[in-house]
Amino acid sequence: GNSVTQMEGPVTLSEEAFLTINCTYTATGYPSLFWYVQYPGEGLQLLLKATKADDKGSNKGFEATYRKETTSFHLEKGSVQVSDSAVYFCALRLRGGSNYKLTFGKGTLLTVNP
Amino acid sequence: DAGVIQSPRHEVTEMGQEVTLRCKPISGHDYLFWYRQTMMRGLELLIYFNNNVPIDDSGMPEDRFSAKMPNASFSTLKIQPSEPRDSAVYFCASSRRDSGVYNEQFFGPGTRLTVL
Repeated sequence: GNSVTQMEGPVTLSEEAFLTINCTYTATGYPSLFWYVQYPGEGLQLLLKATKADDKGSNKGFEATYRKETTSFHLEKGSVQVSDSAVYFCALRLRGGSNYKLTFGKGTLLTVNP
Repeated sequence: DAGVIQSPRHEVTEMGQEVTLRCKPISGHDYLFWYRQTMMRGLELLIYFNNNVPIDDSGMPEDRFSAKMPNASFSTLKIQPSEPRDSAVYFCASSRRDSGVYNEQFFGPGTRLTVL
Protein backbone atom coordinates (compact mmCIF):
# COMPACT_ATOMS: atom_id res chain seq x y z
CA GLY A 1 0.00 0.00 0.00
CA ASN A 2 0.89 3.68 0.11
CA SER A 3 2.47 5.22 3.18
CA VAL A 4 4.42 8.25 4.35
CA THR A 5 6.97 8.23 7.15
CA GLN A 6 8.09 11.44 8.79
CA MET A 7 10.73 12.05 11.39
CA GLU A 8 9.36 11.92 14.90
CA GLY A 9 8.88 15.19 16.67
CA PRO A 10 8.75 17.42 18.40
CA VAL A 11 11.52 19.53 16.91
CA THR A 12 12.64 22.57 18.88
CA LEU A 13 14.92 25.17 17.31
CA SER A 14 16.15 28.64 18.00
CA GLU A 15 15.25 31.45 15.63
CA GLU A 16 17.47 31.57 12.51
CA ALA A 17 18.48 27.92 12.85
CA PHE A 18 18.46 25.53 9.88
CA LEU A 19 15.51 23.18 9.63
CA THR A 20 15.26 19.72 8.12
CA ILE A 21 12.22 17.48 8.49
CA ASN A 22 12.72 14.10 6.87
CA CYS A 23 10.01 12.41 4.84
CA THR A 24 10.13 9.11 2.97
CA TYR A 25 7.35 7.32 1.15
CA THR A 26 6.25 4.05 -0.34
CA ALA A 27 3.78 4.05 -3.21
CA THR A 28 2.28 1.52 -5.56
CA GLY A 29 2.45 4.01 -8.41
CA TYR A 30 4.05 7.33 -9.31
CA PRO A 31 3.01 9.86 -6.68
CA SER A 32 2.84 13.60 -6.41
CA LEU A 33 4.30 14.83 -3.12
CA PHE A 34 3.20 17.59 -0.78
CA TRP A 35 4.01 19.38 2.42
CA TYR A 36 1.11 20.80 4.41
CA VAL A 37 1.38 23.07 7.46
CA GLN A 38 -1.08 23.34 10.33
CA TYR A 39 -0.84 26.41 12.54
CA PRO A 40 -2.33 26.22 16.04
CA GLY A 41 -6.12 26.06 15.98
CA GLU A 42 -6.33 26.03 12.20
CA GLY A 43 -6.83 23.57 9.36
CA LEU A 44 -4.07 22.37 7.09
CA GLN A 45 -2.67 24.60 4.36
CA LEU A 46 -0.67 23.51 1.35
CA LEU A 47 2.92 24.69 1.79
CA LEU A 48 4.56 23.28 -1.33
CA LYS A 49 4.35 20.43 -3.80
CA ALA A 50 6.29 18.52 -6.46
CA THR A 51 4.73 16.38 -9.13
CA LYS A 52 7.68 14.55 -10.69
CA ALA A 53 11.17 13.35 -9.90
CA ASP A 54 13.81 16.05 -9.32
CA ASP A 55 11.17 18.77 -9.06
CA LYS A 56 11.79 21.25 -6.27
CA GLY A 57 8.81 22.76 -4.50
CA SER A 58 9.34 26.03 -2.66
CA ASN A 59 7.30 28.56 -0.71
CA LYS A 60 7.90 31.03 2.13
CA GLY A 61 11.57 30.07 2.28
CA PHE A 62 10.81 26.35 2.58
CA GLU A 63 12.07 23.89 -0.03
CA ALA A 64 11.72 20.19 -0.77
CA THR A 65 13.10 18.14 -3.65
CA TYR A 66 11.39 15.03 -5.03
CA ARG A 67 14.03 12.29 -4.90
CA LYS A 68 12.73 9.19 -6.62
CA GLU A 69 15.93 7.18 -6.09
CA THR A 70 15.68 7.55 -2.32
CA THR A 71 11.86 7.89 -2.21
CA SER A 72 12.26 11.02 -0.16
CA PHE A 73 10.87 14.56 0.04
CA HIS A 74 12.69 16.26 2.91
CA LEU A 75 11.57 19.73 3.98
CA GLU A 76 14.25 22.37 4.56
CA LYS A 77 14.48 26.01 5.53
CA GLY A 78 17.67 27.93 5.95
CA SER A 79 16.57 30.26 8.74
CA VAL A 80 13.43 29.56 10.75
CA GLN A 81 11.30 32.18 12.46
CA VAL A 82 9.06 32.02 15.51
CA SER A 83 6.08 32.28 13.15
CA ASP A 84 7.09 28.96 11.56
CA SER A 85 6.03 27.13 14.71
CA ALA A 86 3.41 24.66 13.51
CA VAL A 87 2.81 21.01 12.66
CA TYR A 88 4.15 19.93 9.27
CA PHE A 89 2.67 17.04 7.30
CA CYS A 90 4.20 15.23 4.37
CA ALA A 91 1.68 13.66 1.99
CA LEU A 92 1.44 11.82 -1.30
CA ARG A 93 -1.20 11.34 -3.95
CA LEU A 94 -1.02 8.80 -6.73
CA ARG A 95 -1.14 10.40 -10.13
CA GLY A 96 -3.60 9.56 -12.83
CA GLY A 97 -7.24 8.70 -13.04
CA SER A 98 -9.65 10.21 -10.59
CA ASN A 99 -7.68 9.35 -7.48
CA TYR A 100 -7.89 12.33 -5.19
CA LYS A 101 -6.87 10.55 -2.00
CA LEU A 102 -4.04 12.11 -0.03
CA THR A 103 -2.03 9.85 2.27
CA PHE A 104 -0.49 11.82 5.14
CA GLY A 105 2.40 11.22 7.48
CA LYS A 106 1.83 11.53 11.23
CA GLY A 107 3.02 15.12 11.33
CA THR A 108 6.03 16.79 12.94
CA LEU A 109 5.58 19.52 15.54
CA LEU A 110 8.07 22.35 15.13
CA THR A 111 8.61 24.91 17.88
CA VAL A 112 10.86 27.88 17.20
CA ASN A 113 12.04 29.85 20.22
CA PRO A 114 13.13 33.51 20.05
CA ASP B 1 -13.95 33.73 -0.83
CA ALA B 2 -14.95 32.60 2.65
CA GLY B 3 -13.04 29.35 2.60
CA VAL B 4 -14.34 26.04 3.88
CA ILE B 5 -16.75 26.57 6.77
CA GLN B 6 -17.31 24.00 9.49
CA SER B 7 -19.69 23.98 12.39
CA PRO B 8 -19.65 23.67 15.27
CA ARG B 9 -16.03 24.45 16.09
CA HIS B 10 -16.27 22.55 19.36
CA GLU B 11 -18.68 19.86 20.44
CA VAL B 12 -18.87 18.13 23.79
CA THR B 13 -21.36 15.32 24.15
CA GLU B 14 -22.02 12.24 26.19
CA MET B 15 -21.54 8.69 25.09
CA GLY B 16 -24.52 7.36 23.19
CA GLN B 17 -25.66 10.71 21.85
CA GLU B 18 -25.97 11.55 18.18
CA VAL B 19 -23.47 14.05 16.82
CA THR B 20 -23.77 15.92 13.52
CA LEU B 21 -20.88 17.85 12.03
CA ARG B 22 -21.47 20.27 9.19
CA CYS B 23 -19.40 21.55 6.29
CA LYS B 24 -19.85 24.15 3.59
CA PRO B 25 -17.22 23.76 0.84
CA ILE B 26 -15.78 26.57 -1.24
CA SER B 27 -18.17 27.61 -3.98
CA GLY B 28 -17.35 25.93 -7.28
CA HIS B 29 -15.42 23.06 -5.74
CA ASP B 30 -16.64 19.64 -6.84
CA TYR B 31 -14.70 17.45 -4.40
CA LEU B 32 -15.36 17.27 -0.67
CA PHE B 33 -13.36 15.30 1.88
CA TRP B 34 -13.90 14.37 5.53
CA TYR B 35 -10.80 13.66 7.67
CA ARG B 36 -10.28 12.69 11.28
CA GLN B 37 -7.19 13.69 13.24
CA THR B 38 -6.05 11.98 16.45
CA MET B 39 -2.75 11.81 18.25
CA MET B 40 -2.59 8.04 17.89
CA ARG B 41 -3.59 7.63 14.25
CA GLY B 42 -2.71 11.00 12.74
CA LEU B 43 -4.81 12.31 9.86
CA GLU B 44 -7.15 9.78 8.27
CA LEU B 45 -9.42 10.19 5.26
CA LEU B 46 -12.90 9.00 6.15
CA ILE B 47 -14.84 9.59 2.93
CA TYR B 48 -14.85 11.80 -0.12
CA PHE B 49 -17.48 13.01 -2.57
CA ASN B 50 -17.35 14.10 -6.18
CA ASN B 51 -20.28 16.14 -7.45
CA ASN B 52 -22.22 15.19 -4.30
CA VAL B 53 -21.73 11.45 -4.87
CA PRO B 54 -19.69 9.39 -2.37
CA ILE B 55 -16.68 7.97 -4.21
CA ASP B 56 -14.70 6.24 -1.49
CA ASP B 57 -15.97 5.56 2.03
CA SER B 58 -13.43 2.87 2.89
CA GLY B 59 -12.05 5.03 5.71
CA MET B 60 -15.35 5.25 7.57
CA PRO B 61 -14.59 3.34 10.78
CA GLU B 62 -17.91 1.59 11.28
CA ASP B 63 -21.63 1.74 10.74
CA ARG B 64 -22.03 4.32 13.47
CA PHE B 65 -20.56 6.83 11.02
CA SER B 66 -22.48 8.19 8.04
CA ALA B 67 -21.93 11.10 5.67
CA LYS B 68 -24.22 12.86 3.24
CA MET B 69 -23.94 15.59 0.68
CA PRO B 70 -27.45 16.65 -0.33
CA ASN B 71 -26.21 19.50 -2.52
CA ALA B 72 -23.03 21.13 -3.72
CA SER B 73 -22.84 23.54 -0.81
CA PHE B 74 -23.46 21.34 2.20
CA SER B 75 -22.30 18.09 3.76
CA THR B 76 -22.82 16.38 7.10
CA LEU B 77 -20.92 13.74 9.04
CA LYS B 78 -23.06 11.97 11.61
CA ILE B 79 -22.02 9.68 14.44
CA GLN B 80 -24.78 7.69 16.10
CA PRO B 81 -24.29 6.55 18.79
CA SER B 82 -21.11 8.37 19.74
CA GLU B 83 -18.37 6.73 21.84
CA PRO B 84 -15.41 8.20 23.75
CA ARG B 85 -12.99 6.80 21.15
CA ASP B 86 -14.60 9.04 18.55
CA SER B 87 -13.06 12.06 20.28
CA ALA B 88 -10.91 13.77 17.65
CA VAL B 89 -10.67 16.79 15.41
CA TYR B 90 -12.73 16.35 12.25
CA PHE B 91 -11.72 18.30 9.18
CA CYS B 92 -13.62 18.99 6.01
CA ALA B 93 -11.72 19.91 2.84
CA SER B 94 -12.73 20.78 -0.70
CA SER B 95 -11.03 21.05 -4.07
CA ARG B 96 -11.71 21.51 -7.76
CA ARG B 97 -10.54 19.54 -10.74
CA ASP B 98 -9.78 21.43 -13.96
CA SER B 99 -9.16 19.44 -17.14
CA GLY B 100 -7.67 16.58 -15.19
CA VAL B 101 -5.27 18.81 -13.28
CA TYR B 102 -5.14 18.30 -9.57
CA ASN B 103 -5.89 21.35 -7.48
CA GLU B 104 -4.99 21.62 -3.84
CA GLN B 105 -7.37 20.67 -1.08
CA PHE B 106 -8.49 23.59 1.08
CA PHE B 107 -9.16 22.63 4.67
CA GLY B 108 -11.68 24.04 7.08
CA PRO B 109 -10.72 24.97 10.66
CA GLY B 110 -12.01 21.67 12.01
CA THR B 111 -14.50 20.56 14.66
CA ARG B 112 -13.04 19.38 17.94
CA LEU B 113 -15.30 16.60 19.23
CA THR B 114 -15.15 15.36 22.79
CA VAL B 115 -17.29 12.40 23.78
CA LEU B 116 -17.50 11.91 27.54
